[in-house]
Amino acid sequence: NAGVMQNPRHLVRRRGQEARLRCSPMKGHSHVYWYRQLPEEGLKFMVYLQKENIIDESGMPKERFSAEFPKEGPSILRIQQVVRGDSAAYFCASSSAPGPYQPQHFGDGTRLSIL
Amino acid sequence: SQELEQSPQSLIVQEGKNLTINCTSSKTLYGLYWYKQKYGEGLIFLMMLQKGGEEKSHEKITAKLDEKKQQSSLHITASQPSHAGIYLCGRSSGGGADGLTFGKGTHLIIQP
Repeated sequence: NAGVMQNPRHLVRRRGQEARLRCSPMKGHSHVYWYRQLPEEGLKFMVYLQKENIIDESGMPKERFSAEFPKEGPSILRIQQVVRGDSAAYFCASSSAPGPYQPQHFGDGTRLSIL
Repeated sequence: SQELEQSPQSLIVQEGKNLTINCTSSKTLYGLYWYKQKYGEGLIFLMMLQKGGEEKSHEKITAKLDEKKQQSSLHITASQPSHAGIYLCGRSSGGGADGLTFGKGTHLIIQP
């Protein structure tokens, strides 16, 4: 049983470039969540998606960040024109159903470094 | 202020000793989750508690939920080196938006 798969594990970008982070949920899961972990801030929710729909993007920065979860293929978190402050670990989680009583299972994350 | 306060922030325990980590919410709890994170890795789901007074155990780890106090505790019995890591409690907003809010974590070090 494959868990949540994220790639790449490490990503280095120069300021102004684009970063694309991919997440394949656990088999049978159609709910995907993205989180960002900054050293002094802890783990923060960014966006919640179901297949082809963004359900809640209240934690997503308004500019430069976007997320999608197409009918086929992985979920993508896209960061345009990256800046140094985007350096962080980005985690994806998935669940089999929505609601407050459904465990979310996490991937190993993508460590993004901006030069 | 933090929605979820964890205490202590860090803990050094001798191998074989028991320990407790606490998590207090400033808002109503609809579901309380405990995760463990090893440095540089992802989060491992440990337990979910949803009812007041609920207690769950997995191997040597026990978690309890006090709904009235909006608190949860995680207790490890006879700690081992494999228990070292960062323990995070998380809560659901319960309002349909299902992103979890996390505490800042408790760093646990096990001394041989």
